[in-house]
Amino acid sequence: GQNIDQPTEMTATEGAIVQINCTYQTSGFNGLFWYQQHAGEAPTFLSYNVLDGLEEKGRFSSFLSRSKGYSYLLLKELQMKDSASYLCAVKIGSTLGRLYFGRGTQLTVWP
Amino acid sequence: DTGVSQDPRHKITKRGQNVTFRCDPISEHNRLYWYRQTLGQGPEFLTYFQNEAQLEKSRLLSDRFSAERPKGSFSTLEIQRTEQGDSAMYLCASSPGTGGRNEQFFGPGTRLTVL
Repeated sequence: GQNIDQPTEMTATEGAIVQINCTYQTSGFNGLFWYQQHAGEAPTFLSYNVLDGLEEKGRFSSFLSRSKGYSYLLLKELQMKDSASYLCAVKIGSTLGRLYFGRGTQLTVWP
Repeated sequence: DTGVSQDPRHKITKRGQNVTFRCDPISEHNRLYWYRQTLGQGPEFLTYFQNEAQLEKSRLLSDRFSAERPKGSFSTLEIQRTEQGDSAMYLCASSPGTGGRNEQFFGPGTRLTVL
């Protein structure tokens, strides 16, 4: 089976930097996604990594190490609106494949 | 609005009743996915269509569940003889099917409550 692990909860203050880690044990790895999900809403795409290294996109960056089965999402200059669940998802096999999601990390940003 | 839409947004039903949900994907997307999400968990894959063909089904999709995409556009998910354990958010997603990233775009979901 596929195993994707991320912390359940994290807290941080406005303006700070937070790193959300994700570790995975899967077969046929073919890319890793990070999604943001506000309570009661649909997940929205944040980032995608398929090769090792850092992908930067404004205040958000995502890192992948395939050999270690490890990724992180880095959020800078935190804002109150960043309070949400952050979902790590792995794509398996062909580009047609399903996504396997972790349980999500609930981030609370305090003023 | 050109995003993924789902109908209804909320459904309350009694145990044993049948329910049907609809998903309209982004128009040029030929791939469509159904997921189920319970509180505090990530989405769990249920099934996937490429055009009208249902190519993959999860073991979570018991014989009470059936999904169709008759013309390769909208899709329906039916649950027969609902059980309280079926209470969840049912999410639909679509993707263009080209390119390595093949990002999935999610709809707002249908929240099902089985009493």
